[in-house]
Amino acid sequence: GAGVSQSPSNKVTEKGKDVELRCDPISGHTALYWYRQSLGQGLEFLIYFQGNSAPDKSGLPSDRFSAERTGGSVSTLTIQRTQQEDSAVYLCASNPRGRELFFGEGSRLTVL
Amino acid sequence: AQRVTQPEKLLSVFKGAPVELKCNYSYSGSPELFWYVQYSRQRLQLLLRHISRESIKGFTADLNKGETSFHLKKPFAQEEDSAMYYCALSSGGGFKTIFGAGTRLFVKA
Repeated sequence: GAGVSQSPSNKVTEKGKDVELRCDPISGHTALYWYRQSLGQGLEFLIYFQGNSAPDKSGLPSDRFSAERTGGSVSTLTIQRTQQEDSAVYLCASNPRGRELFFGEGSRLTVL
Repeated sequence: AQRVTQPEKLLSVFKGAPVELKCNYSYSGSPELFWYVQYSRQRLQLLLRHISRESIKGFTADLNKGETSFHLKKPFAQEEDSAMYYCALSSGGGFKTIFGAGTRLFVKA
């Protein structure tokens, strides 16, 4: 596709359930990021993949959060045992090394 | 540690008035600074980057290494400038990018 694609665009789940959010970056972009956007918190860095290097997981808020990137392309962010404070918009972005970020439209997660 | 600070969560100005969105950063090396913008119902997108030294939609930003600032300015605000603005810093060999908390600009008619 022409841009970064994220799915689902909206997800409503019950507290305690696991969710998976998917990101398809722009073809050829070596770097992929996950951010969390919530009111009052701005854009919170979660995790960063760069080529074949080990991911930078320093922003993951707890061990309930994990992410993987298969084949240097598609990435999945998994949140286990969701809590109400996990409700936010999860944004994915990709870029060629050292250039501007290209963002997806986000996945809005609501935990009831 | 790397940090980007945007002290104002909300900035409200009248159409035609000058606007300045503040951004300060902390980083020990030579960072690359950006401003990103998110208009209503649109995805986050790049507005400008300091190395380009260009004016986009009338906005400019100058990197001041002495004050570690990268404030965004426009002499005459327009209603269509109403949006969420994020200052961002890209650093290190891996070019990891972090963002400030964002400033919502509201331009009143």
